[in-house]
Amino acid sequence: NAGVTQTPKFRVLKTGQSMTLLCAQDMNHEYMYWYRQDPGMGLRLIHYSVGEGTTAKGEVPDGYNVSRLKKQNFLLGLESAAPSQTSVYFCASSYPSGRVGETQYFGPGTRLLVL
Amino acid sequence: ILNVEQSPQSLHVQEGDSTNFTCSFPSSNFYALHWYRWETAKSPEALFVMTLNGDEKKKGRISATLNTKEGYSYLYIKGSQPEDSATYLCATHSGAGSYQLTFGKGTKLSVIP
Repeated sequence: NAGVTQTPKFRVLKTGQSMTLLCAQDMNHEYMYWYRQDPGMGLRLIHYSVGEGTTAKGEVPDGYNVSRLKKQNFLLGLESAAPSQTSVYFCASSYPSGRVGETQYFGPGTRLLVL
Repeated sequence: ILNVEQSPQSLHVQEGDSTNFTCSFPSSNFYALHWYRWETAKSPEALFVMTLNGDEKKKGRISATLNTKEGYSYLYIKGSQPEDSATYLCATHSGAGSYQLTFGKGTKLSVIP
């Protein structure tokens, strides 16, 4: 049981390049999330998904797109990378069991540097 | 977007000292409060989920209390150890029934041996 995994761990991009970050979970979780972590800021939600084929915007969605074609995978895309997107990206997942306050389980993070 | 505040931003304590820090959040439309522990170069790990006013949770030397009426939670660490060094995050839900979490900026704890 690997939990939540993220690929790649680290990437350097030039301004204008595109890339896709992959998040995979093997816990059969319905909900998945993408966050970014910047110095002096809390984790900020970019996009999330409440199930296969569905996505929704979070707090800071501009410049990103997402897709959830399979339940276990959640992809985050940058179509035209900008230096402002230099950050550490975390994926998380949770299972809506109906209990109040579902815990989110986090991946190890992807460090992205945009030059 | 909720305003979740954590204080202090960072602190250094000697091994063996006890310490505590605060998470403040809007008391209206409260749903649940989460505490996470985040070690450098690792993923945030869940410590507690608290939902009821007056809740107290404990895990080993770490405990937390919740006051939903006034909108704050305290995290306590008794007899700090070097392995407690981490950033402690709190987060609350963006409304009743929402699975979205709004995180505070964290309190970075350094325990000096």
